[in-house]
Formats: sequence, structure tokens, C-alpha cells
Amino acid sequence: AQSVTQPDIHITVSEGASLELRCNYSYGATPYLFWYVQSPGQGLQLLLKYFSGDTLVQGIKGFEAEFKRSQSSFNLRKPSVHWSDAAEYFCAVGAPAAGNKLTFGGGTRVLVKP
Amino acid sequence: EAGVAQSPRYKIIEKRQSVAFWCNPISGHATLYWYQQILGQGPKLLIQFQNNGVVDDSQLPKDRFSAERLKGVDSTLKIQPAKLEDSAVYLCASSSLAGINEQFFGPGTRLTVL
Repeated sequence: AQSVTQPDIHITVSEGASLELRCNYSYGATPYLFWYVQSPGQGLQLLLKYFSGDTLVQGIKGFEAEFKRSQSSFNLRKPSVHWSDAAEYFCAVGAPAAGNKLTFGGGTRVLVKP
Repeated sequence: EAGVAQSPRYKIIEKRQSVAFWCNPISGHATLYWYQQILGQGPKLLIQFQNNGVVDDSQLPKDRFSAERLKGVDSTLKIQPAKLEDSAVYLCASSSLAGINEQFFGPGTRLTVL
């Protein structure tokens, strides 16, 4: 069975500073990996996804993530954070052999200081 | 394109009462998912439909939870009787049929059981 760990529950970052959110996964085959963002009272919005190919993936809102198979990681980065990036971020692994079932990590809440 | 619709947005009930949530997926999306998101945790899949058939309901507490998607379009999730630990946000998502695809999430229904 697949699993996802997001080691950081909370991260506080100053506006304009860089951001990196960690994600480690466990899956027996080539993973399909996703990052979603959830603003208060909202559903989840997809930031980016990795299926295959280039291990550096570009997403919306200036986010990118890098797949590192040797480290079983899929960390999310943004070079310069905006106040509107304050939200909760979820990493997820998809299981193509199980009907595209998504398993989510526990999430990382990002607070942005002015 | 209209997104995933859910209603109600909020519901407060007392334990042992019953409650139902409704979801209308994006038009043409064959696959529909119900997730439970407890405060401070990532979403957990409860049930997945493909058209009107169940693909995965392994994590659905079947003694109290039920779900249906009779015509392969909208879906209803029911809890009867509710317990305190059912307090959570219930998210509905949909995706198109082919391969691994993005799941589009609705805004969720926040359930409080008193």
C-alpha cells in the first residue's frame, strides 16, 4: 500500500522569501505524484503533477517540484512567496493499479509573514 | 466549465441523527470520489465510483455510511446514525475516465456532530 509523509506540520515564511515543502512517499512501482493546495473553506486545487519524464515539474502560481526517486521525495518549491500563498498544502501519490486512488499526506500549513 | 458542486456547505447534527450530502461532478466525468477530511489531516478516500459502479469502498464504514450514484452522474453520501468522530469535511471529486487524470474537487461539506 502507498503512503505519503509530510514532515513539516507548519511552516512560517516571510513574504518574498523562498519556500520548500517536503514530501516523502512509499509506493511499490513508479509513482504518480501530486501537490494540491487548500485555502480556508475551499476544496483542493491541483498545483502540479508528475507522471513520467522530466523530474522537475512546473506548476501554477510559480510553484515547481522535483521528483527524486533515490530519495523517494517530491518536494515543492517557490522562489518568492506572496501573502496569498498562505494555505495548506497536500502531497499525494496516485495508484494507477488501483483506479487512480489518491493517498494524501497530512498536509503542511504555510503562514506568510508580511 | 462548471466545477464540482456539493451541498449543503455546512451541516450541524446531533449524534445518532442521519445526514446526507450531495455531489454533482463535472459534466462528462465518469469517475467520482468521496473523501473524508478530519481536521488537521489529509483527505482519506471513502468510496470511488466509475459511472454507477463501485470501484473501491474498502475504507467506507459500511455499518453507518452508504453512498450511491444511481444514474452515473450525481451522487449521495449518507451517514446513519452519525457519531461524534464523523465530524469532518466531506469532499467530492471527479475525474475523466482515461488513465491517470487530475481529480477536481468540490468545496466540501463541513459536518459537525454534537
